[in-house]
Amino acid sequence: NAGVTQTPKFQVLKTGQSMTLQCAQDMNHEYMSWYRQDPGMGLRLIHYSVGAGITDQGEVPNGYNVSRSTTEDFPLRLLSAAPSQTSVYFCASSTGTLPGYGYTFGSGTRLTVV
Amino acid sequence: QQQVKQSPQSLIVQKGGISIINCAYENTAFDYFPWYQQFPGKGPALLIAIRPDVSEKKEGRFTISFNKSAKQFSLHIMDSQPGDSATYFCAASIYGNTGKLIFGQGTTLQVKP
Repeated sequence: NAGVTQTPKFQVLKTGQSMTLQCAQDMNHEYMSWYRQDPGMGLRLIHYSVGAGITDQGEVPNGYNVSRSTTEDFPLRLLSAAPSQTSVYFCASSTGTLPGYGYTFGSGTRLTVV
Repeated sequence: QQQVKQSPQSLIVQKGGISIINCAYENTAFDYFPWYQQFPGKGPALLIAIRPDVSEKKEGRFTISFNKSAKQFSLHIMDSQPGDSATYFCAASIYGNTGKLIFGQGTTLQVKP
């Protein structure tokens, strides 16, 4: 059981480049989310999805796009990378039902924009 | 605007002591409050969670205390151990919309032997 798999683990981009961060889960979870983690800022929600075909914005959605065509995959696209998007990105998934509603997180993607 | 405020930012506790981390929230619609633990280089992992129908929940050495009227909740780690050294995050969401889980800023805990 792989859980939540994020690729790549590390990435360096030049300002203005675009890329897609991949996230896949094999637990048949309906809920999936993307967070970014920055020192002193905690984890900030970028976008989330409550099922295939349904996405919504989180706290810091600007500069990012998502889509959810299947239950398993939830890619995050950076349209035109900026240095302010240098961060560690986490994908998470959950059943969205009691008990616990607990999110399972991936191991993260460390992105540097130069 | 930070919807969930967490303190302190860092905490140093001696082995065997009690670690206390506090969180406060603004949105009265929040009704699910989990705590996550994160070790360096890893993703956060769910530690313990509480709904507002109870004022306290205990799992082993970890206890959540919840004060609905004050809109505050806290994590107590009893008999703290060096292996508890990690970053702890509180979070909150609305029942039925737990996809929108909002986190606090995090507390880095160091337990000294």
